[in-house]
Amino acid sequence: EDQVTQSPEALRLQEGESSSLNCSYTVSGLRGLFWYRQDPGKGPEFLFTLYSAGEEKEKERLKATLTKKESFLHITAPKPEDSATYLCAVQAPGTYKYIFGTGTRLKVLA
Amino acid sequence: NAGVTQTPKFQVLKTGQSMTLQCAQDMNHNSMYWYRQDPGMGLRLIYYSASEGTTDKGEVPNGYNVSRLNKREFSLRLESAAPSQTSVYFCASSEARQVNSPLHFGNGTRLTVT
Repeated sequence: EDQVTQSPEALRLQEGESSSLNCSYTVSGLRGLFWYRQDPGKGPEFLFTLYSAGEEKEKERLKATLTKKESFLHITAPKPEDSATYLCAVQAPGTYKYIFGTGTRLKVLA
Repeated sequence: NAGVTQTPKFQVLKTGQSMTLQCAQDMNHNSMYWYRQDPGMGLRLIYYSASEGTTDKGEVPNGYNVSRLNKREFSLRLESAAPSQTSVYFCASSEARQVNSPLHFGNGTRLTVT
């Protein structure tokens, strides 16, 4: 069964304390892996798409990487405004469906 | 550039009442989706429409119906609301036929069924 698992469920960081979020997936092929940021009361906002193992994407303090079984979202020197829930999703081959993990709730303390 | 627009933003229903959630996208996407989001459960797919004229069940379709009115609009109907349908509902769209095409979401409808 196609599945996406994110860890940890919640993470508290001090401002400037770098860390990584994990997204592991089991699909029989990959049409894309996607990272989203979700703020309270809002819809998920698209951050990155990754497709090939070894691929990396960066945006400000965020860097996403991809292997054959998992993806990491690295947060370098986070700021309080990076506090949000980060969601990972995959698109399984041969379907139009996107499968989501349950997310990591990140809190960055000033 | 509005993206994905959902109405209403908030709704309170009594058990047994019906309602339709509206969604429209202006990105010319072929595929549209309805998800519900509950604490600890993540985003679960209710129904999707791969292209205009087609609809398919997702993970949790029971109690819901959908209509793909045209390429832009995809509505979700609750015929007889139940407290278990209290949730946040998100509409999304994409060019799912293309590899690497992400979903784009609206800001949700917060539904409470009493």
